[in-house]
Amino acid sequence: IAGITQAPTSQILAAGRRMTLRCTQDMRHNAMYWYRQDLGLGLRLIHYSNTAGTTGKGEVPDGYSVSRANTDDFPLTLASAVPSQTSVYFCASSDSTGANVLTFGAGSRLTVL
Amino acid sequence: GQNIDQPTEMTATEGAIVQINCTYQTSGFNGLFWYQQHAGEAPTFLSYNVLDGLEEKGRFSSFLSRSKGYSYLLLKELQMKDSASYLCAVRDGDYKLSFGAGTTVTVRA
Repeated sequence: IAGITQAPTSQILAAGRRMTLRCTQDMRHNAMYWYRQDLGLGLRLIHYSNTAGTTGKGEVPDGYSVSRANTDDFPLTLASAVPSQTSVYFCASSDSTGANVLTFGAGSRLTVL
Repeated sequence: GQNIDQPTEMTATEGAIVQINCTYQTSGFNGLFWYQQHAGEAPTFLSYNVLDGLEEKGRFSSFLSRSKGYSYLLLKELQMKDSASYLCAVRDGDYKLSFGAGTTVTVRA
């Protein structure tokens, strides 16, 4: 089934540890995004990539990094996790045509203690 | 960035109609989206407006007024499965999508 796969589904992490959230899509979409969702704040854009080899900063990029080595994969790395990064993280992609509708992955719930 | 406002919660009865309003202030505008998100799940696309007017899709309709910075999502013939959070999102002049905090709709029997 075509779509976006995120891993892990859920993770508890000690503060200061490095963590990479994985995201893979098989729809050959050009653009990919990482959002975090916190209660009362909605979805906030962390980083995005309009095409393989390029990335850009969103609304809340500090403490996060991304890479886009190919079309399908867009990992999000927390170099040194802090408790304020406790959140649900959603990866999304879009085909950059027409309405440019985002398709979301199922999310990764991260708890930093 | 964007300033997107929508009510936090709404409650309605099964079979009724509910209208969720969204107001926005944006630097450039390239479309307004509505997404549905059930608890613990990913958001899913409902509707897209880029021109003024009403877009109807089955029981759901979405309206846009660009001059007023205003949209609404209309849910008709409410069903229990419509209990979810509804997210208003605006695409800016740089084609980045920003979301409102969402409106939680509870449908009661």
